[in-house]
Amino acid sequence: DAMVIQNPRYQVTQFGKPVTLSCSQTLNHNVMYWYQQKSSQAPKLLFHYYDKDFNNEADTPDNFQSRRPNTSFCFLDIRSPGLGDAAMYLCATSITPLDTPDNEQFFGPGTRLTVL
Amino acid sequence: AQKITQTQPGMFVQEKEAVTLDCTYDTSDPSYGLFWYKQPSSGEMIFLIYQGSYDQQNATEGRYSLNFQKARKSANLVISASQLGDSAMYFCAMREGASNTGKLIFGQGTTLQVKP
Repeated sequence: DAMVIQNPRYQVTQFGKPVTLSCSQTLNHNVMYWYQQKSSQAPKLLFHYYDKDFNNEADTPDNFQSRRPNTSFCFLDIRSPGLGDAAMYLCATSITPLDTPDNEQFFGPGTRLTVL
Repeated sequence: AQKITQTQPGMFVQEKEAVTLDCTYDTSDPSYGLFWYKQPSSGEMIFLIYQGSYDQQNATEGRYSLNFQKARKSANLVISASQLGDSAMYFCAMREGASNTGKLIFGQGTTLQVKP
């Protein structure tokens, strides 16, 4: 039944050691999003893919990259994690990027990243 | 300028009673959507309800209803007959039609605790 899957659920990495978070979806949605949610804060969009088109938010650090090799999978790469990158990372999908009533965003369970 | 404001960091409600969670928003886009999500301690964002800016009627989904007051730019969530399982963080979010990204802008959230 799982629709948006994130692996791993918990990830521990060392300061400066590259890490990759994974998201997959069974919904065949065109759009995939990555949000960062720091402790007790609101989720904040990092970037999204509309099909193969990558869209970066203006204030997303260069340290964060993303890949979408096919419709189902999307990866978040953190090239050199710092202590400030410790957060919950949420993947979400939607059919289109438009605001229409049936176009909700479906979220995965998130990956909680710890940086030592 | 903050676009989504949730002024209640924490709320308590007695089981079986109704509770209102406040949300105000700010946008110059005439077309937008408003969402409420529930985030339990496990981290997953669960979609609750959607209200489009052109909708004439307030949205309802089971025990959830959205009190949409467009002139006041408010979109309060009403949960009727609270249950212990409703204890969670609740986020109000907005999606602006003009952005064409589907980006959700979240408020800071309200933590709801339901007392037995």
